[in-house]
Amino acid sequence: EAQVTQNPRYLITVTGKKLTVTCSQNMNHEYMSWYRQDPGLGLRQIYYSMNVEVTDKGDVPEGYKVSRKEKRNFPLILESPSPNQTSLYFCASSFSARQAGNTIYFGEGSWLTVV
Amino acid sequence: AQKITQTQPGMFVQEKEAVTLDCTYDTSDQSYGLFWYKQPSSGEMIFLIYQGSYDEQNATEGRYSLNFQKARKSANLVISASQLGDSAMYFCAMREGHGDYKLSFGAGTTVTVRA
Repeated sequence: EAQVTQNPRYLITVTGKKLTVTCSQNMNHEYMSWYRQDPGLGLRQIYYSMNVEVTDKGDVPEGYKVSRKEKRNFPLILESPSPNQTSLYFCASSFSARQAGNTIYFGEGSWLTVV
Repeated sequence: AQKITQTQPGMFVQEKEAVTLDCTYDTSDQSYGLFWYKQPSSGEMIFLIYQGSYDEQNATEGRYSLNFQKARKSANLVISASQLGDSAMYFCAMREGHGDYKLSFGAGTTVTVRA
């Protein structure tokens, strides 16, 4: 079954404690990205990756890091989380834009609370 | 500038009636795609319908149809015969044909279906 898997789904953490949200896809997609969702703002892109070892900033990258060492995995790293990073996070993947059309797969979302 | 505008924060609709969710977009690209997603209270993003900028006919998927008016840069979603299970947040999104191929999302519209 084609899927994007995120972990953890739910997390409450404290300010400053490093955490990683993992994302894995089983469809051999080149393109992966992270979004955060906040009330009244919709989803905003944090980082994206066009392929292995190729990553770049999205619209709201401050406070986040990513890596793409393998094609299937695209972890989101919060080195020193702050309360303003409390949000719902989504990982998404697709083939390259020329092939993707409407085929974009989202993970189930990770609810993160920083206290 | 906002790329996707959804002007209706919330709407109520009677069961079995149709509802139209507004979406306007802003792009200078000739090639782009427009998406609608449903987000129930559980949080996952469910793909509903897609319209390519070069598609001559309006997209339809079951009870969902997209009223695409290219000159007005409008991509409204019509849900026919509303059901209680349609109560959710709905997002309009656009993928432009250049650059990082990210999705730009609107702020969303919450639909509540009344029995």
